[in-house]
Amino acid sequence: QVQLQESGPGLVKPSQTLSLTCTVSGGSISSGTYHWSWIRQPAGKGLEWIGRIYTSGSTNYNPSLKSRVTISVDTSKNQFSLKLSSVTAADTAVYYCASSGFYFDFWGQGTLITVSS
Amino acid sequence: DIVLTQSPGTLSLSPGERATLSCRASQYVISSYLTWYQQKPGQAPRLLIYGASNRATGIPDRFSGSGSATDFTLTITRLEPEDFAVYYCQHYGSSAMYTFGQGTKLEIK
Repeated sequence: QVQLQESGPGLVKPSQTLSLTCTVSGGSISSGTYHWSWIRQPAGKGLEWIGRIYTSGSTNYNPSLKSRVTISVDTSKNQFSLKLSSVTAADTAVYYCASSGFYFDFWGQGTLITVSS
Repeated sequence: DIVLTQSPGTLSLSPGERATLSCRASQYVISSYLTWYQQKPGQAPRLLIYGASNRATGIPDRFSGSGSATDFTLTITRLEPEDFAVYYCQHYGSSAMYTFGQGTKLEIK
């Protein structure tokens, strides 16, 4: 069974770039079975899809975040990454990585990112 | 873009009762692309139902999904204490856009 684990700094300063990595285990990120997505959830609120990447490097982003988001993949490390630029307090949330097709099969446990000076 | 509206916002029921949760889409959606998740506090969402009516691996048969077009329902028969959580519906749309409903909180009465 595929397992995912997010990693990154818990605190980011306003206007800086948030960087997170998701490490995939129990399967190859290059298998072609899934796309690999990032989703976030502000405290007490609902879920928002950020974007996804395929093993080929092809990406799709949520239009509401597209101008600030970059997702990349490192198949040699079985990892994919998220960069979100020009962050504000509104970007404070739990960030999840997940495998995705039409839906999200497997999820990481999530990591809380706080944007504060 | 498709908007998913879940109702009610909060549902208060007792263990053993039946829960009916609604997810309404702002326009026609393909059933294959409608999914339900369960989320407990401090945990990631868990896949429950995909393709509107297919239970994911390991999901008890007291959970069932139904519906088509714009109206979808998640039904939980005989509520167990561990079923009290927040439930989200989700749609996969054109241009590879994923949309979630705002969630229904199922709480113990």
